[in-house]
Amino acid sequence: GQQLNQSPQSMFIQEGEDVSMNCTSSSIFNTWLWYKQDPGEGPVLLIALYKAGELTSNGRLTAQFGITRKDSFLNISASIPSDVGIYFCAGQLPGSARQLTFGSGTQLTVLP
Amino acid sequence: NAGVMQNPRHLVRRRGQEARLRCSPMKGHSHVYWYRQLPEEGLKFMVYLQKENIIDESGMPKERFSAEFPKEGPSILRIQQVVRGDSAAYFCASSLRSGGAYNEQFFGPGTRLTVL
Repeated sequence: GQQLNQSPQSMFIQEGEDVSMNCTSSSIFNTWLWYKQDPGEGPVLLIALYKAGELTSNGRLTAQFGITRKDSFLNISASIPSDVGIYFCAGQLPGSARQLTFGSGTQLTVLP
Repeated sequence: NAGVMQNPRHLVRRRGQEARLRCSPMKGHSHVYWYRQLPEEGLKFMVYLQKENIIDESGMPKERFSAEFPKEGPSILRIQQVVRGDSAAYFCASSLRSGGAYNEQFFGPGTRLTVL
């Protein structure tokens, strides 16, 4: 099936630092979504992107839908301890009847 | 609580038994999706349903797995004759019927199935 390559796989950063992660694919996506998952919980939607080139912010989070429609990035500014978790990108392929394809996740650890 | 609800949160079954996982979508949502997550992996799509219809089951194994979303009541993911490889977290998501938001899927807390 289609794959989303998400990187980095894990990150260790100091509190207050900015962090960036991205997803790439060889396929074009209609929609990009970014989720955060805490241990033992379901993914929580952070940002949704629907148009190529779109740049959207949600508090300290900013995400962009790549102009080629094959990639997306998520930035977190001024990280805080509660940012710890696994971040997933997810995309919807054209004609895929709304199913989402997920990346493998970025494990973020914020050090005090 | 207006979020997606799933139960049970944890389910233990012995090999050969049946597992039934339930999902109640967010209020006003009539699209339901089931995903499976293995440890340290991303979620994998299984099936997409609307009320009384299976729209896309391309991600669901052909044998032992079935899903329904009846006119009344929750969506059910049913796994017959479970095997150890079925052990995973199963997540349900829902989205709005049409208009407004496009494909914002909201997830429930998941059911963690352990097969002994």
